[in-house]
Amino acid sequence: GAGVSQTPSNKVTEKGKYVELRCDPISGHTALYWYRQSLGQGPEFLIYFQGTGAADDSGLPNDRFFAVRPEGSVSTLKIQRTERGDSAMYLCASSENLNTGELFFGEGSRLTVL
Amino acid sequence: AQSVTQLGSHVSVSEGALVLLRCNYSSSVPPYLFWYVQYPNQGLQLLLKYTSAATLVKGINGFEAEFKKSETSFHLTKPSAHMSDAAEYFCAVSHGGGADGLTFGKGTHLIIQP
Repeated sequence: GAGVSQTPSNKVTEKGKYVELRCDPISGHTALYWYRQSLGQGPEFLIYFQGTGAADDSGLPNDRFFAVRPEGSVSTLKIQRTERGDSAMYLCASSENLNTGELFFGEGSRLTVL
Repeated sequence: AQSVTQLGSHVSVSEGALVLLRCNYSSSVPPYLFWYVQYPNQGLQLLLKYTSAATLVKGINGFEAEFKKSETSFHLTKPSAHMSDAAEYFCAVSHGGGADGLTFGKGTHLIIQP
């Protein structure tokens, strides 16, 4: 497909477990972003990649959250020792033009921590 | 730091009536401003963006927004609402130059009454 793809679309896990969420951006987009959206809230910035490197990870809430993009394309958001408060929709977006700020979003991965 | 305030978590209008969704921003630098729409079970889609060109910006589906620096506002309007406009609308401001991701408002849920 031509759009941003996120898997899984839904993930239910137990408190304390480890979770990985995957994002496959639009081909050729060098910038990739992760956001978290809680119910009734707008998306909250987590981390931004330019190529393989994390250009800005100031939005990651704590050291249980980590993201990688080893080959400059697919990215994985990793959450260790999940807590109930981590339950949210995790959104990925990509962009080809850093000057416009136009982001293309995937449909998200809904994480539920029981 | 940038921030966005959307007045009204829910707005209800009759089909055919004017749509007005309010957004005020704060930014320490000239802002890039965006409106995104999120239809049920879909990813965020860009409606329109302001990037320091014309202050009146036209977007998709008949929406437009006007950047008013003196009022620090970027309200979204549409002359005549359609049932298909029912969705969640988010105003967003860029961190700086559009490259570093977006700060979103909490969103406004638009309800269209038949």
